Amino acid sequence: ETGVTQTPRHLVMGMTNKKSLKCEQHLGHNAMYWYKQSAKKPLELMFVYNFKEQTENNSVPSRFSPECPNSSHLFLHLHTLQPEDSALYLCASSPTGSSYNSPLHFGNGTRLTVT
Amino acid sequence: AQKVTQAQTEISVVEKEDVTLDCVYETRDTTYYLFWYKQPPSGELVFLIRRNSFDEQNEISGRYSWNFQKSTSSFNFTITASQVVDSAVYFCALSGQGAQKLVFGQGTRLTINP
Repeated sequence: ETGVTQTPRHLVMGMTNKKSLKCEQHLGHNAMYWYKQSAKKPLELMFVYNFKEQTENNSVPSRFSPECPNSSHLFLHLHTLQPEDSALYLCASSPTGSSYNSPLHFGNGTRLTVT
Repeated sequence: AQKVTQAQTEISVVEKEDVTLDCVYETRDTTYYLFWYKQPPSGELVFLIRRNSFDEQNEISGRYSWNFQKSTSSFNFTITASQVVDSAVYFCALSGQGAQKLVFGQGTRLTINP
C-alpha cells in the first residue's frame, strides 16, 4: 500500500462546480500539506496541518478550503474556481510540521483542469 | 528570505553519459537542510537525499552523487552513466531553522535518450 494516496488522479470541473480532493496517508505522520504545481512555476505551498490543526495558510484564495478531520486524512474543497487554478495538486506528509529537517512524502497528485 | 535556483530548465543527454544538475541556494539561517527530489511522469515527488548545513561531506549512492559546497552555496547532483529510467523532473529544496518551511527550486527536466 502506497504511503500517500490521492484521489481522484484526474479531475475536470467547470467554474461553477464544487468538488473535493482527497488525500490519505498510511505512514503514521502527524503533518499533512497541500502543494500546487503549475507549469513553469515552483511548487507552491498552500496549507499545512499539524496534529489536525492548520498551521499555515500561504495566502490561498478562499475558493480553496482545506479540511483535516484526523492526522491521516486531508481534503481540499474546491468551489467557483478559475481557469488559472488548473494545476497538479500534491499532498504530502511528514512526521511533524514543526520539524524542518524531515523529508516530505508525496502522493501522486490530482491533475485538475478548470474549464 | 530563502531561495533556491536551478538555472537549468531542461537537459537532454544520451544514455550512459554523465550529467550534473545544478542547485544554488540562499538563506540567512546557519542551520538548514538541503534536499533533492525526483518527480517521474507518474507525478509523485520521491525523496532522494537530505544534507544538513554542517555536513559538507559529499555523498555517493550507486550512480548518484551529491556535491555540497557552502563556499559557493551550491548542492549539485550528478548522475553517472545515465539511464532512460532517470528521465524525470528533479527538484532541489531548502528548509531553514528560521523559516521552518521547505522552499523548492523551479526544477530541471532531465531527458535521457536511448
